Amino acid sequence: AQTVTQSQPEMSVQEAETVTLSCTYDTSESDYYLFWYKQPPSRQMILVIRQEAYKQQNATENRFSVNFQKAAKSFSLKISDSQLGDAAMYFCACYTGTASKLTFGTGTRLQVTL
Amino acid sequence: DVKVTQSSRYLVKRTGEKVFLECVQDMDHENMFWYRQDPGLGLRLIYFSYDVKMKEKGDIPEGYSVSREKKERFSLILESASTNQTSMYLCASSLSPGIYLENEQFFGPGTRLTVL
Repeated sequence: AQTVTQSQPEMSVQEAETVTLSCTYDTSESDYYLFWYKQPPSRQMILVIRQEAYKQQNATENRFSVNFQKAAKSFSLKISDSQLGDAAMYFCACYTGTASKLTFGTGTRLQVTL
Repeated sequence: DVKVTQSSRYLVKRTGEKVFLECVQDMDHENMFWYRQDPGLGLRLIYFSYDVKMKEKGDIPEGYSVSREKKERFSLILESASTNQTSMYLCASSLSPGIYLENEQFFGPGTRLTVL
């Protein structure tokens, strides 16, 4: 069984600053995908960024980037130049073909302050 | 844009009632999923479906059933609602079950169900 752990229930960052959200996972599969999803207060969950496990290069999407440490099974999300609209619940998730499903972490609520 | 819609944003039911939560997607996705979201527990998979009339149990199927009579529609059924089923319910869909880029899941807005 795969597990995903987010150890930070809440984080806070000032506008324009950088914040890193932590995620660790455990799976016995060699092929898997990792995701960060964002759930704003309006509740519609959207994909922020994804990482294929076979790729060594860290994924980047504009102000969002990941630090993927495969050996350590760590997948952190860095948000640069934080904006008020980044305030949301962030979920880390892992997908494997064997399980054929997404396993989510418990989420990190990010506050962005002025 | 992929659109996943859910029949209600808020729902209040009484203990013992039969409850139907409806989900519709408009992108011809093969896969559909039902999750419940609870504080401190994240999202937990209840049931999923890879095809019409096909269903698979997720991690917490007890007390729930599902129906998929048409490709675009996936219903979650609480046969006899209980107070411990008070939760946020999220529906999602994705294109294919394989470990490909198409496995990105698109979510609906959620239904906040309260069972009194």
